[in-house]
Amino acid sequence: AQSVAQPEDQVNVAEGNPLTVKCTYSVSGNPYLFWYVQYPNRGLQFLLKYITGDNLVKGSYGFEAEFNKSQTSFHLKKPSALVSDSALYFCAVRDPFYGGATNKLIFGTGTLLAVQP
Amino acid sequence: NAGVTQTPKFRVLKTGQSMTLLCAQDMNHEYMYWYRQDPGMGLRLIHYSVGEGTTAKGEVPDGYNVSRLKKQNFLLGLESAAPSQTSVYFCASGPLGTSGANEQFFGPGTRLTVL
Repeated sequence: AQSVAQPEDQVNVAEGNPLTVKCTYSVSGNPYLFWYVQYPNRGLQFLLKYITGDNLVKGSYGFEAEFNKSQTSFHLKKPSALVSDSALYFCAVRDPFYGGATNKLIFGTGTLLAVQP
Repeated sequence: NAGVTQTPKFRVLKTGQSMTLLCAQDMNHEYMYWYRQDPGMGLRLIHYSVGEGTTAKGEVPDGYNVSRLKKQNFLLGLESAAPSQTSVYFCASGPLGTSGANEQFFGPGTRLTVL
């Protein structure tokens, strides 16, 4: 079955330290991968995506993600965390079953990032 | 542009009552989606639409119906609400694309409680 896993329910990091939020996937074919962020009482906001090309993808708010095909991972990273980065982060992959006809996504369960001052 | 809007923002229902959630987008997107978000389960797709007049079932469609009579609107209906439908509901939209490479744009959510 096609799936996305976020193995950590919560990640704690001190402000100024680097952060990593992990994501692994299991899909057939070439994966199209996405990261979204959800601030409290808000909808999801798109951060970045990997479709093809360079394995290191840069996105909004200083975030980047590294695609690793051999490890089937797409970890989200930021060199220096801010308290304002505290939010719920979702990894998602395009549902390959429907091809590109629907842009359907399969979401992970989310990781709560808590940045302490 | 307002993007994706949802009404209402909050609602409390009694078991067996019905209601309709409205989603509207002003980005001229072809695709629209309804998700529910529950703790520890991420987002699960309820129904989706790839164009005006078309709808399809997602991962958890039971107990819900949808309609897309106008391109900019996507309605989610609960005919007879159950406590298991207590959740936060998100609508999303996305542009036409055959590759699946386009991101989705989300509304602010509707928090529904069924007593």
